[in-house]
Amino acid sequence: SQQGEEDPQALSIQEGENATMNCSYKTSINNLQWYRQNSGRGLVHLILIRSNEREKHSGRLRVTLDTSKKSSSLLITASRAADTASYFCATDAVGSEKLVFGKGTKLTVNP
Amino acid sequence: DTGVSQNPRHKITKRGQNVTFRCDPISEHNRLYWYRQTLGQGPEFLTYFQNEAQLEKSRLLSDRFSAERPKGSFSTLEIQRTEQGDSAMYLCASNIEIDSPLHFGNGTRLTVT
Repeated sequence: SQQGEEDPQALSIQEGENATMNCSYKTSINNLQWYRQNSGRGLVHLILIRSNEREKHSGRLRVTLDTSKKSSSLLITASRAADTASYFCATDAVGSEKLVFGKGTKLTVNP
Repeated sequence: DTGVSQNPRHKITKRGQNVTFRCDPISEHNRLYWYRQTLGQGPEFLTYFQNEAQLEKSRLLSDRFSAERPKGSFSTLEIQRTEQGDSAMYLCASNIEIDSPLHFGNGTRLTVT
């Protein structure tokens, strides 16, 4: 079963624009993580935000977390063609020791 | 840190055959996970180990699937009597402790004909 749901399923933008992806989840969590996956490859960790945090930054990435709405967003600023990939949110539910992934957002950045 | 290594990268097998995949985690990581991913979907949890102990196994896994992690180092995932529905990417990941990021291998792509 998948706990997180990303929105939109697919996003196509021009280089230099910002990309925003959203994630909703169902249960109380310890933390929420975002991962990136290039076609045919494994996932790469981007950022982790804990349940007591509201916002976190890493380079061109900004993640927000709203535990009252059970949602998170990932913002990529000044996108580049190399950002083209699928992006997944994953949650670590309270009482669980495994990460559960959503279905992902496929981002295409056109040069 | 040489990363998580998975072998083989690709496996094509006929329905009914058994297959085994191997995962070598990052050496100091004592937690190891197996996920399955089909096209257009996110990774789906299969099982995980802390050292050599298998702590959780997905109810989605049938009895045809078994995983081991002898001596708490590398792990193997075996699928017996493969079916076409087993065709997927099998991903291995490891981390050093609960709540730390997962490091993924590049996966083994299984095609059952």
